[in-house]
Amino acid sequence: DQQVKQNSPSLSVQEGRISILNCDYTNSMFDYFLWYKKYPAEGPTFLISISSIKDKNEDGRFTVFLNKSAKHLSLHIVPSQPGDSAVYFCAASLSLGTYKYIFGTGTRLKVLA
Amino acid sequence: DTGVSQDPRHKITKRGQNVTFRCDPISEHNRLYWYRQTLGQGPEFLTYFQNEAQLEKSRLLSDRFSAERPKGSFSTLEIQRTEQGDSAMYLCASTGRGSTGEGTEAFFGQGTRLTVV
Repeated sequence: DQQVKQNSPSLSVQEGRISILNCDYTNSMFDYFLWYKKYPAEGPTFLISISSIKDKNEDGRFTVFLNKSAKHLSLHIVPSQPGDSAVYFCAASLSLGTYKYIFGTGTRLKVLA
Repeated sequence: DTGVSQDPRHKITKRGQNVTFRCDPISEHNRLYWYRQTLGQGPEFLTYFQNEAQLEKSRLLSDRFSAERPKGSFSTLEIQRTEQGDSAMYLCASTGRGSTGEGTEAFFGQGTRLTVV
């Protein structure tokens, strides 16, 4: 049972435009969500997170939106840059207990120059 | 501190051999995790340590897998009698103490790529 789903395996966006990556989850107990970026042959790098008490968190060009009623979160990158090309994973966890993450399957973003 | 360090970066082994990977977390991080990632999938949780205590193991961790974290510092993951299905990227992550009621981001190492031939 895939508790965290990223239904778009790939996305291509023109440089300077907005990239929107989506993520859905099924476990309503999740209360902490994160986005990680991964380049080939490297470990995931933390990008941005959001607690379930918020519906938006912004850090520079990156904004994460959380819709708890829809069990949906999204990552907006504005403006997109060629260096943003990577695989993006969303992850969810419970803030109590082990804090282990459940990851989605990833979305490969390609930003075209 | 240079972050989470994993060794080796790559390992090729013959089926049936034993392999051991090492992870050095960020110093003073008390939580350490092992994940496994296969092609086209996200990282999958394997096991979790808080200090030296192994507090949770995934059902993915068969009895051929064992992990230790002596003295609550570095950790090792051993796979005995490797099988071709064990080929994957093995990732280690660590986190510090989270505030009560809040999560905290994990810092990942660069991973160990295991190929079983």
